[in-house]
Amino acid sequence: QPVLTQSSSASASLGSSVKLTCTLSSGHSSYIIAWHQHQPGKAPRYLMKLEGSGSYNKGSGVPDRFSGSSSGADRYLTISNLQSEDEADYYCETWDSNTRVFGGGTKLTVL
Amino acid sequence: EVQLLESGGGLVQPGGSLRLSCAASGFTFSNYVMNWFRQAPGKGLERVSAIIGSGDKTFYAGSVKGRFTISRDNSKNTLYLQMNSLRAEDTAIYYCAKSSPAAGTDCWGPGTLVSVSS
Repeated sequence: QPVLTQSSSASASLGSSVKLTCTLSSGHSSYIIAWHQHQPGKAPRYLMKLEGSGSYNKGSGVPDRFSGSSSGADRYLTISNLQSEDEADYYCETWDSNTRVFGGGTKLTVL
Repeated sequence: EVQLLESGGGLVQPGGSLRLSCAASGFTFSNYVMNWFRQAPGKGLERVSAIIGSGDKTFYAGSVKGRFTISRDNSKNTLYLQMNSLRAEDTAIYYCAKSSPAAGTDCWGPGTLVSVSS
């Protein structure tokens, strides 16, 4: 089954941009993933579906500051013009007909 | 609008039981895999259990297998999680979530708090 690898933490300054990475395991580089945001004390939020081609579809109400891209087995979430409310845990997810897998999450700190 | 709303959380003693419910609306409930996730204090998200649309196939995390039972009533658009033999380490916010084969886990409920303590 696929495995997703994420860095445990990232940080960036208010108003800057940050690019978070989710890496698919060998043999699964074509898989579609989803990105989720989990702010402290709130329900997780679905951000987008991201394909290997780099094409992405965002969830309802997700700001334009959030975008996705892909390169090989890597899937990226870029957040531009960072706001304080972007400080959260970010999880990637992938799935096939038999399984659903989540990465360990990246804790994003906005400085 | 797609909505999920959990209920049934609360404080329970170790060894006790609770039944969580998740009321769904805004989509054809029986067509989707439904999940229970949890987040324990200071920990990341963990997928606890899942059930396919027909209810015929289920998934359990190793940490809850044999103690928790997931079920659904498609006539009531409701998902359930029966939790028995609860332990302190089951203390967490429990989230109901809908999964789509096309888009991933694309809707989450607000969560319900389960506290296991004497």
